Amino acid sequence: AQRVTQPEKLLSVFKGAPVELKCNYSYSGSPELFWYVQYSRQRLQLLLRHISRESIKGFTADLNKGETSFHLKKPFAQEEDSAMYYCAPIFNAGNNRKLIWGLGTSLAVNP
Amino acid sequence: EPEVTQTPSHQVTQMGQEVILRCVPISNHLYFYWYRQILGQKVEFLVSFYNNEISEKSEIFDDQFSVERPDGSNFTLKIRSTKLEDSAMYFCASVRDSNQPQHFGDGTRLSIL
Repeated sequence: AQRVTQPEKLLSVFKGAPVELKCNYSYSGSPELFWYVQYSRQRLQLLLRHISRESIKGFTADLNKGETSFHLKKPFAQEEDSAMYYCAPIFNAGNNRKLIWGLGTSLAVNP
Repeated sequence: EPEVTQTPSHQVTQMGQEVILRCVPISNHLYFYWYRQILGQKVEFLVSFYNNEISEKSEIFDDQFSVERPDGSNFTLKIRSTKLEDSAMYFCASVRDSNQPQHFGDGTRLSIL
């Protein structure tokens, strides 16, 4: 079955601490993986996609095919990183590229 | 930067009534999606639309649901006879090329009484 799991509903860290938001998926093929973020009172917006391998706002994510994971990491969290983070893979190839969503992790960065 | 816009931001409707949620995708985008999120639950795919037809729909998207793009700009989701369990946040998304990330609207909060 195609599934994505974000095991932590809430993650609370202090400013300057490292943060890792976990994402695991279940899929026999090669997914395309995204992290979307939703700041308070704002729309869902793309944070990262694994094929671009870039760092956005200090966040990185590496696809680990052996562990079927795509954890989101930042070495030093900032208060403005407080938001809801969603891991959302695309499992099927072809033109219909629907996103499959995790439950999301609410990140709270405390001063 | 162009944005996907959704109206209304909040819709309150009596159970059994029809409701239409409106979305204006980014103007040169070709692929359109509706997702929904029931409070406390995952965002769920409802339907995708390309070249004026549905390309995929989920189990949720039963005969009570329909989508259309009547005038080349709006992309609407209609629920014919709403049920209490249709209460959710509904998100519209669009993308120009299928291999690009989807752009989302702010969502419409649908409350069924």
